[in-house]
Amino acid sequence: GENVEQHPSTLSVQEGDSAVIKCTYSDSASNYFPWYKQELGKGPQLIIDIRSNVGEKKDQRIAVTLNKTAKHFSLHITETQPEDSAVYFCAASTGTGGFKTIFGAGTRLFVKA
Amino acid sequence: DAMVIQNPRYQVTQFGKPVTLSCSQTLNHNVMYWYQQKSSQAPKLLFHYYDKDFNNEADTPDNFQSRRPNTSFCFLDIRSPGLGDAAMYLCATSTRADTQYFGPGTRLTVL
Repeated sequence: GENVEQHPSTLSVQEGDSAVIKCTYSDSASNYFPWYKQELGKGPQLIIDIRSNVGEKKDQRIAVTLNKTAKHFSLHITETQPEDSAVYFCAASTGTGGFKTIFGAGTRLFVKA
Repeated sequence: DAMVIQNPRYQVTQFGKPVTLSCSQTLNHNVMYWYQQKSSQAPKLLFHYYDKDFNNEADTPDNFQSRRPNTSFCFLDIRSPGLGDAAMYLCATSTRADTQYFGPGTRLTVL
């Protein structure tokens, strides 16, 4: 079955610096890759997603890149702010419907003011 | 404004005492999911409904059941909670387009 590995498990950056979180997946049939941000005591919130027909997507300070050949996708956060501190999960799903979404183990991001 | 609503936000139950968690949605999505999330771990899918079709994950214990009386509501029943069932329970919804929208979660404590 699909497996998603996420690194690093913890990331600490200075405010204003960039943060990069990397994920790899195993199932070449995966074609949808969302990223979720989870703050303490809250449910995960979608922050950006990418489908397999594009290599990069950007939304203000957040960007995601996808390398289908390497089965690798990454989240890039530029000009980090203290409110970016949270746990970030990558995920991968196959086919339409998203019924089976496999999550990475999560990255705890600390942004130091 | 809320799209996926979970009640209660915090639930305390006693060992072995049945408990029901509820989820409602205003998105009119046809898929609803229940996840269990333990501290510092990724959400773990328990089961999902595609319309009225129920799909159980192979490793979901029989102790966990679900009901979906209509499009908007879905319930998670834990028949005999054990200490190991203490966790955050997350409800999510989606259409066939893969994006899942999560509720705020219910934190379950088992005494």
